[in-house]
Amino acid sequence: DTEVTQTPKHLVMGMTNKKSLKCEQHMGHRAMYWYKQKAKKPPELMFVYSYEKLSINESVPSRFSPECPNSSLLNLHLHALQPEDSALYLCASSQVGRTTGAAYEQYFGPGTRLTVT
Amino acid sequence: RKEVEQDPGPFNVPEGATVAFNCTYSNSASQSFFWYRQDCRKEPKLLMSVYSSGNEDGRFTAQLNRASQYISLLIRDSKLSDSATYLCVVKVRRALTFGSGTRLQVQP
Repeated sequence: DTEVTQTPKHLVMGMTNKKSLKCEQHMGHRAMYWYKQKAKKPPELMFVYSYEKLSINESVPSRFSPECPNSSLLNLHLHALQPEDSALYLCASSQVGRTTGAAYEQYFGPGTRLTVT
Repeated sequence: RKEVEQDPGPFNVPEGATVAFNCTYSNSASQSFFWYRQDCRKEPKLLMSVYSSGNEDGRFTAQLNRASQYISLLIRDSKLSDSATYLCVVKVRRALTFGSGTRLQVQP
Protein backbone atom coordinates (compact mmCIF):
# COMPACT_ATOMS: atom_id res chain seq x y z
CA ASP A 1 0.00 0.00 0.00
CA THR A 2 0.95 3.63 -0.44
CA GLU A 3 3.52 5.17 1.89
CA VAL A 4 2.15 8.61 1.17
CA THR A 5 -0.57 9.60 3.61
CA GLN A 6 -2.96 12.51 3.36
CA THR A 7 -5.35 14.08 5.85
CA PRO A 8 -8.19 14.67 5.98
CA LYS A 9 -9.79 12.19 3.58
CA HIS A 10 -12.80 14.43 3.11
CA LEU A 11 -13.24 18.14 3.75
CA VAL A 12 -16.24 20.38 3.38
CA MET A 13 -15.58 24.09 3.75
CA GLY A 14 -17.34 27.36 3.17
CA MET A 15 -15.97 30.08 0.93
CA THR A 16 -14.83 32.17 3.89
CA ASN A 17 -13.08 29.35 5.76
CA LYS A 18 -9.37 28.71 6.13
CA LYS A 19 -8.28 25.09 6.15
CA SER A 20 -5.15 23.06 5.45
CA LEU A 21 -4.48 19.78 3.70
CA LYS A 22 -1.60 17.68 4.97
CA CYS A 23 0.63 15.14 3.27
CA GLU A 24 3.39 12.98 4.68
CA GLN A 25 5.71 10.50 3.02
CA HIS A 26 8.05 8.00 4.61
CA MET A 27 10.10 6.94 1.60
CA GLY A 28 12.95 9.43 1.95
CA HIS A 29 11.87 11.22 -1.23
CA ARG A 30 13.12 14.78 -1.73
CA ALA A 31 10.48 15.91 -4.25
CA MET A 32 6.83 16.41 -3.36
CA TYR A 33 3.91 17.50 -5.47
CA TRP A 34 0.33 18.76 -5.27
CA TYR A 35 -2.15 17.83 -7.98
CA LYS A 36 -5.80 18.70 -8.46
CA GLN A 37 -8.16 16.23 -10.10
CA LYS A 38 -11.71 16.98 -11.20
CA ALA A 39 -14.18 14.19 -11.92
CA LYS A 40 -13.44 12.22 -15.11
CA LYS A 41 -10.33 14.32 -15.77
CA PRO A 42 -6.64 13.49 -15.30
CA PRO A 43 -4.62 15.00 -12.44
CA GLU A 44 -3.31 18.50 -13.07
CA LEU A 45 -0.04 19.62 -11.51
CA MET A 46 -0.26 22.55 -9.08
CA PHE A 47 3.06 22.76 -7.23
CA VAL A 48 6.42 20.98 -7.05
CA TYR A 49 8.83 21.12 -4.12
CA SER A 50 12.37 19.91 -4.54
CA TYR A 51 14.65 19.73 -1.50
CA GLU A 52 12.00 21.65 0.43
CA LYS A 53 12.09 24.57 -2.02
CA LEU A 54 9.22 25.50 -4.33
CA SER A 55 10.44 24.79 -7.84
CA ILE A 56 7.25 24.84 -9.90
CA ASN A 57 4.03 26.81 -9.45
CA GLU A 58 1.67 26.12 -12.34
CA SER A 59 0.03 29.57 -12.16
CA VAL A 60 -2.14 28.49 -9.26
CA PRO A 61 -4.35 31.20 -7.69
CA SER A 62 -3.03 32.67 -4.45
CA ARG A 63 -5.97 31.26 -2.48
CA PHE A 64 -3.90 28.04 -2.56
CA SER A 65 -0.68 28.37 -0.56
CA PRO A 66 1.76 25.46 -0.34
CA GLU A 67 4.25 24.89 2.45
CA CYS A 68 6.99 22.31 2.89
CA PRO A 69 8.09 22.34 6.56
CA ASN A 70 10.56 19.48 6.08
CA SER A 71 11.47 16.74 3.64
CA SER A 72 8.64 14.46 4.80
CA LEU A 73 5.76 16.93 5.07
CA LEU A 74 3.81 18.99 2.58
CA ASN A 75 0.87 21.24 3.37
CA LEU A 76 -1.63 23.07 1.22
CA HIS A 77 -3.28 26.04 2.92
CA LEU A 78 -6.69 27.00 1.59
CA HIS A 79 -8.39 30.37 1.97
CA ALA A 80 -11.40 31.99 0.32
CA LEU A 81 -11.95 29.11 -2.08
CA GLN A 82 -14.64 29.01 -4.75
CA PRO A 83 -17.12 26.20 -5.43
CA GLU A 84 -15.23 25.37 -8.64
CA ASP A 85 -12.22 24.47 -6.47
CA SER A 86 -14.10 21.37 -5.32
CA ALA A 87 -11.97 18.42 -6.44
CA LEU A 88 -9.73 15.59 -5.32
CA TYR A 89 -6.39 16.98 -4.14
CA LEU A 90 -3.57 14.52 -4.55
CA CYS A 91 -0.13 14.63 -3.01
CA ALA A 92 2.75 12.70 -4.57
CA SER A 93 6.43 12.18 -3.88
CA SER A 94 9.46 10.96 -5.79
CA GLN A 95 13.22 10.71 -5.66
CA VAL A 96 15.10 13.44 -7.44
CA GLY A 97 18.54 13.47 -9.02
CA ARG A 98 20.37 16.60 -7.89
CA THR A 99 22.64 16.84 -10.93
CA THR A 100 20.24 16.26 -13.80
CA GLY A 101 17.00 17.38 -12.21
CA ALA A 102 15.47 14.20 -13.53
CA ALA A 103 12.81 12.79 -11.24
CA TYR A 104 11.85 9.18 -10.77
CA GLU A 105 8.43 7.56 -10.54
CA GLN A 106 5.89 9.48 -8.49
CA TYR A 107 3.86 7.79 -5.78
CA PHE A 108 0.49 9.21 -4.86
CA GLY A 109 -1.35 9.49 -1.60
CA PRO A 110 -5.06 8.59 -1.39
CA GLY A 111 -6.10 12.21 -1.76
CA THR A 112 -8.37 14.65 0.04
CA ARG A 113 -11.80 15.06 -1.46
CA LEU A 114 -12.65 18.74 -1.04
CA THR A 115 -16.10 20.25 -1.35
CA VAL A 116 -16.47 24.03 -1.24
CA THR A 117 -19.98 25.22 -0.41
CA ARG B 1 -3.20 19.55 -29.67
CA LYS B 2 -3.10 17.83 -26.27
CA GLU B 3 0.35 17.03 -24.88
CA VAL B 4 -0.61 13.41 -24.23
CA GLU B 5 -3.44 11.81 -26.18
CA GLN B 6 -5.25 8.58 -25.45
CA ASP B 7 -8.39 6.91 -26.72
CA PRO B 8 -10.87 7.36 -23.83
CA GLY B 9 -12.62 4.06 -24.52
CA PRO B 10 -14.35 2.36 -22.86
CA PHE B 11 -12.82 -0.91 -23.92
CA ASN B 12 -15.20 -3.70 -22.95
CA VAL B 13 -13.45 -7.07 -23.15
CA PRO B 14 -14.20 -10.58 -21.84
CA GLU B 15 -12.04 -12.21 -19.21
CA GLY B 16 -8.98 -13.80 -20.74
CA ALA B 17 -8.83 -11.39 -23.67
CA THR B 18 -5.75 -9.48 -24.78
CA VAL B 19 -6.20 -5.72 -25.00
CA ALA B 20 -3.87 -2.96 -26.17
CA PHE B 21 -3.87 0.74 -25.37
CA ASN B 22 -2.01 3.39 -27.31
CA CYS B 23 -0.84 6.84 -26.44
CA THR B 24 0.92 9.64 -28.31
CA TYR B 25 2.83 12.58 -26.87
CA SER B 26 3.74 15.86 -28.48
CA ASN B 27 6.85 17.05 -26.60
CA SER B 28 9.97 15.50 -28.12
CA ALA B 29 11.91 16.58 -25.00
CA SER B 30 9.93 14.13 -22.86
CA GLN B 31 12.32 12.16 -20.71
CA SER B 32 10.40 9.41 -18.98
CA PHE B 33 7.23 7.49 -19.60
CA PHE B 34 4.86 5.60 -17.34
CA TRP B 35 1.56 3.81 -17.20
CA TYR B 36 -0.59 4.39 -14.13
CA ARG B 37 -3.92 2.81 -13.31
CA GLN B 38 -6.65 4.58 -11.45
CA ASP B 39 -9.68 2.95 -9.92
CA CYS B 40 -12.87 4.94 -9.45
CA ARG B 41 -12.46 7.58 -6.71
CA LYS B 42 -8.95 6.34 -5.85
CA GLU B 43 -5.48 7.72 -6.43
CA PRO B 44 -3.37 6.84 -9.49
CA LYS B 45 -1.09 3.87 -8.83
CA LEU B 46 2.08 3.25 -10.80
CA LEU B 47 1.66 0.24 -13.06
CA MET B 48 5.00 0.34 -14.81
CA SER B 49 7.67 2.57 -16.24
CA VAL B 50 8.22 2.35 -19.98
CA TYR B 51 11.72 1.88 -21.34
CA SER B 52 13.03 2.36 -24.86
CA SER B 53 13.80 -1.33 -25.23
CA GLY B 54 10.29 -2.30 -24.15
CA ASN B 55 9.58 -4.04 -20.88
CA GLU B 56 7.31 -6.66 -19.45
CA ASP B 57 5.87 -7.23 -16.00
CA GLY B 58 3.82 -10.40 -15.80
CA ARG B 59 0.79 -9.99 -18.05
CA PHE B 60 1.67 -6.38 -18.90
CA THR B 61 3.98 -5.30 -21.72
CA ALA B 62 4.91 -1.69 -22.44
CA GLN B 63 6.56 -0.35 -25.58
CA LEU B 64 8.01 3.04 -26.45
CA ASN B 65 8.71 4.41 -29.91
CA ARG B 66 10.56 7.70 -29.49
CA ALA B 67 10.73 8.38 -33.24
CA SER B 68 6.94 8.21 -33.53
CA GLN B 69 6.37 9.60 -30.01
CA TYR B 70 4.13 6.67 -29.26
CA ILE B 71 3.66 4.47 -26.18
CA SER B 72 1.65 1.29 -25.85
CA LEU B 73 0.41 -1.04 -23.13
CA LEU B 74 -0.60 -4.64 -23.77
CA ILE B 75 -2.56 -6.62 -21.20
CA ARG B 76 -2.74 -10.38 -21.72
CA ASP B 77 -5.23 -12.76 -20.10
CA SER B 78 -7.39 -9.93 -18.74
CA LYS B 79 -8.79 -10.33 -15.23
CA LEU B 80 -11.88 -8.73 -13.75
CA SER B 81 -9.54 -6.86 -11.40
CA ASP B 82 -7.89 -5.17 -14.38
CA SER B 83 -11.01 -3.01 -14.80
CA ALA B 84 -9.81 0.55 -14.25
CA THR B 85 -8.73 3.68 -16.09
CA TYR B 86 -5.23 3.47 -17.51
CA LEU B 87 -3.32 6.75 -17.62
CA CYS B 88 -0.44 7.34 -20.00
CA VAL B 89 2.03 9.67 -18.29
CA VAL B 90 4.96 11.58 -19.72
CA LYS B 91 7.62 13.46 -17.77
CA VAL B 92 9.43 16.59 -18.92
CA ARG B 93 11.95 17.73 -16.28
CA ARG B 94 10.09 17.43 -12.94
CA ALA B 95 6.52 17.69 -14.20
CA LEU B 96 4.29 14.76 -15.07
CA THR B 97 1.70 15.26 -17.79
CA PHE B 98 -1.20 12.85 -17.76
CA GLY B 99 -3.28 11.66 -20.66
CA SER B 100 -7.02 11.69 -20.14
CA GLY B 101 -7.00 7.95 -19.55
CA THR B 102 -8.45 4.89 -21.25
CA ARG B 103 -11.22 3.09 -19.41
CA LEU B 104 -11.10 -0.70 -19.41
CA GLN B 105 -14.03 -2.87 -18.34
CA VAL B 106 -13.33 -6.59 -18.18
CA GLN B 107 -16.52 -8.62 -18.23
CA PRO B 108 -17.14 -12.14 -16.90
